[in-house]
Amino acid sequence: GQQLNQSPQSMFIQEGEDVSMNCTSSSIFNTWLWYKQDPGEGPVLLIALYKAGELTSNGRLTAQFGITRKDSFLNISASIPSDVGIYFCAGQLIQGAQKLVFGQGTRLTINP
Amino acid sequence: NAGVMQNPRHLVRRRGQEARLRCSPMKGHSHVYWYRQLPEEGLKFMVYLQKENIIDESGMPKERFSAEFPKEGPSILRIQQVVRGDSAAYFCASSPPAGLTGNTIYFGEGSWLTVV
Repeated sequence: GQQLNQSPQSMFIQEGEDVSMNCTSSSIFNTWLWYKQDPGEGPVLLIALYKAGELTSNGRLTAQFGITRKDSFLNISASIPSDVGIYFCAGQLIQGAQKLVFGQGTRLTINP
Repeated sequence: NAGVMQNPRHLVRRRGQEARLRCSPMKGHSHVYWYRQLPEEGLKFMVYLQKENIIDESGMPKERFSAEFPKEGPSILRIQQVVRGDSAAYFCASSPPAGLTGNTIYFGEGSWLTVV
């Protein structure tokens, strides 16, 4: 079945630093989504990417849909304490209402 | 979390009991998904439903688990004769009908099942 490899698994950074994480897949996805999950909460959608090569920003967050359709990255600039949490990439095979395949998550810890 | 409502948020069941988790999708959304998350892991797809139809249940365990999305009322994930390994967070998600530009999947806040 489809599998997403997300890296790194965890990051420990200083407040103000930039963050970069990525996902790769052996399968082609038509949509890439990035979610953030806080403890005891559900995943919250950060950025959705629909076209190969697409680069999309949401405030301090930037994500790109790889040209090969098999990878995506998420960057966070000038990290702040509320960025702490677990970030998940998710791929969707058919654009629209179809199941998501999730990466294992990147746990971000920020030292003030 | 964009209006997907799940209840209960927390549920404790003894081994052998039944667990019922409910999900009301966002307004206008006709597609419902259930995912399971074990501690320190990502979410794993279980089942995808539309009103009165199961579209994809490839992630559902073959026994004890069932899901429905009736014409009226919430979607329900039912786990019979629960075992300790069923302890997990169960997330419901919803999306609008396929084909709409930019439609994505939004998650509820989850139901945490603990089997004792």
